[in-house]
Amino acid sequence: QVQLRESGPGLLKPSETLSLTCTVSGDSIVGSDWWNWVRQPPGKGPEWIGEVFHTGATNYNSSLSSRVTVSIDKSRNQFSLKMTSMTAADAAVYYCARARRRVGWSFDHWGQGTPVTVSS
Amino acid sequence: DIQMTQSPSSLSASVGDRVTIICQASQDIGGSLNWYQQKPGSAPRLLIYDVSSLQTEVTSRFTASGSGTHFTFTISSLQPEDVATYYCQQYGRVPGPFGPGTKVDIK
Repeated sequence: QVQLRESGPGLLKPSETLSLTCTVSGDSIVGSDWWNWVRQPPGKGPEWIGEVFHTGATNYNSSLSSRVTVSIDKSRNQFSLKMTSMTAADAAVYYCARARRRVGWSFDHWGQGTPVTVSS
Repeated sequence: DIQMTQSPSSLSASVGDRVTIICQASQDIGGSLNWYQQKPGSAPRLLIYDVSSLQTEVTSRFTASGSGTHFTFTISSLQPEDVATYYCQQYGRVPGPFGPGTKVDIK
């Protein structure tokens, strides 16, 4: 079955860059799906960060786009997130997710999430 | 930007009760609406896509409907395993915002 797994450091200092990788198994990232990053601050709802297609095409949340890069590595069946200038406000659980289209789009598979703390 | 609201923010009901959650969009989003369930310590789980389509392996106790700006999610007979937070999400050409969530508890 399809599985997504996030990996990367969970503790950052303010101003550092967050780097996370999502490894996909049970599905090829070369297809018709988009591959997404979503975060969820403690006690709040999820917030979409950005997405990548296997061609390298990307879309970003306009509120984060100046700090975010999402990229894809087809050879490893992985995609990645980089977010610069991290602050305490960026502390959250970060999820990767697959977006699939039936009529419209939805996030039908999610990783388990990885907590990210930003503290000096 | 589209804003999503949900009501109530929390509810407590008895086992077997019918439970309904409302999701409203700040502008017409047509049929681009999904519903997710999230249990503590777990990732969100897709329940309903395209307003009213039940995701594979999701119980038929869950139904949803709506269009435009007004959407509803219903649990026909609340069970203990339904205790969770439920989120609506607008999703057009790119992913849109999630609602603030409705926390469902057993009375």
